[in-house]
Amino acid sequence: TQLLEQSPQFLSIQEGENLTVYCNSSSVFSSLQWYRQEPGEGPVLLVTVVTGGEVKKLKRLTFQFGDARKDSSLHITAAQPGDTGLYLCAGGAGSYQLTFGKGTKLSVIP
Amino acid sequence: DAGITQSPRHKVTETGTPVTLRCHQTENHRYMYWYRQDPGHGLRLIHYSYGVKDTDKGEVSDGYSVSRSKTEDFLLTLESATSSQTSVYFCAISVMTGNYGYTFGSGTRLTVV
Repeated sequence: TQLLEQSPQFLSIQEGENLTVYCNSSSVFSSLQWYRQEPGEGPVLLVTVVTGGEVKKLKRLTFQFGDARKDSSLHITAAQPGDTGLYLCAGGAGSYQLTFGKGTKLSVIP
Repeated sequence: DAGITQSPRHKVTETGTPVTLRCHQTENHRYMYWYRQDPGHGLRLIHYSYGVKDTDKGEVSDGYSVSRSKTEDFLLTLESATSSQTSVYFCAISVMTGNYGYTFGSGTRLTVV
């Protein structure tokens, strides 16, 4: 069974601060995805990374896939209240279904 | 872009009654999934489908059944609802499984009393 551990579980920060959330596993994944979920809605895909060491930027969000393809991080620069939500990572392993982490709940206080 | 819709959005039902949740997609994607989301457990796969009439179990399939008679519709049935099935249920679709992103519906909040 492949598991993805996310940390921290909860994060509350002031507007304008930077933050990093982590997604770790002992298993190798062929891809790693990040989703954001807002209250009362389904998760929305933010990014997919597929190459070890890959870095992708989406405005103030930077996603990195570890060299060994076992971990990933999400860094947010100058957080805004609109970044508030539950951030989920999910690992793909070829033809198998995605494995989801339990999420990091982020609150950005104005 | 409402390529995937779930109905109903909310439902309260009594223990022991059958319940059917519907997922409808307009994207013509091959793969469809049912997840439940619970505090402390995250998203857990109930059942998935890889084509019309082709379905398989996920990690928490006990007490649930599914049917897919058309590409666009994937039904989740709780044959006899229990309080442990109180949860938020999400349907998702994808072009392929594994490395490809999922598109999720907005969810159904089910309460079994």
